Amino acid sequence: AQSVTQPDARVTVSEGASLQLRCKYSYSATPYLFWYVQYPRQGLQLLLKYYSGDPVVQGVNSFEAEFSKSNSSFHLQKASVHWSDSAVYFCALSPLSSNTNKVVFGTGTRLQVLP
Amino acid sequence: EAAVTQSPRNKVAVTGGKVTLSCNQTNNHNNMYWYRQDTGHGLRLIHYSYGAGSTEKGDIPDGYKASRPSQENFSLILELATPSQTSVYFCASGDSQNSGNTLYFGEGSRLIVV
Repeated sequence: AQSVTQPDARVTVSEGASLQLRCKYSYSATPYLFWYVQYPRQGLQLLLKYYSGDPVVQGVNSFEAEFSKSNSSFHLQKASVHWSDSAVYFCALSPLSSNTNKVVFGTGTRLQVLP
Repeated sequence: EAAVTQSPRNKVAVTGGKVTLSCNQTNNHNNMYWYRQDTGHGLRLIHYSYGAGSTEKGDIPDGYKASRPSQENFSLILELATPSQTSVYFCASGDSQNSGNTLYFGEGSRLIVV
């Protein structure tokens, strides 16, 4: 069975600092991997996704993520955070095999950016 | 305009009552999903669907039914609501053929069971 682990429930950084949010997945093959963001009282929105090719993928708002098959990881990064980046970030996995279209989410990381 | 619309946005129900959460999508996506979001658990998959007439159990289906009468509509039904089903419920649609199953979410339905 597939699973996603986000080990950090909360992360606090100062505005302008760099950021890394961690994501580890468990799946027998390479799945589709996603990062979503959720602002207060809203649904989730896609930041970026990866399936194949360059392991570093660019997303919206200067976010990027790096896929590592050897580490089964898909960490989200940003060089310089802004206060408006404060939100909850979810990592997700979709196996896209022939017999399932399940999309599984991690428990989320709440990011607080201090001014 | 919003492509995934949920109703009601807020609902207070009594224990033992029936609750229906509705979801409509205008994305023409085959796949639709119902998740619940609780602190410490993230998003957990309740039911999903590959298309009209199909429903599949997710990871936590007990106490819930789903119905997909058309491509656009996907409902979540709580026949006998319990306080443990107090949560925020999210509907999403996705297209595994053209967008890598990127999900598009509604704004959520907040359910309180008293």
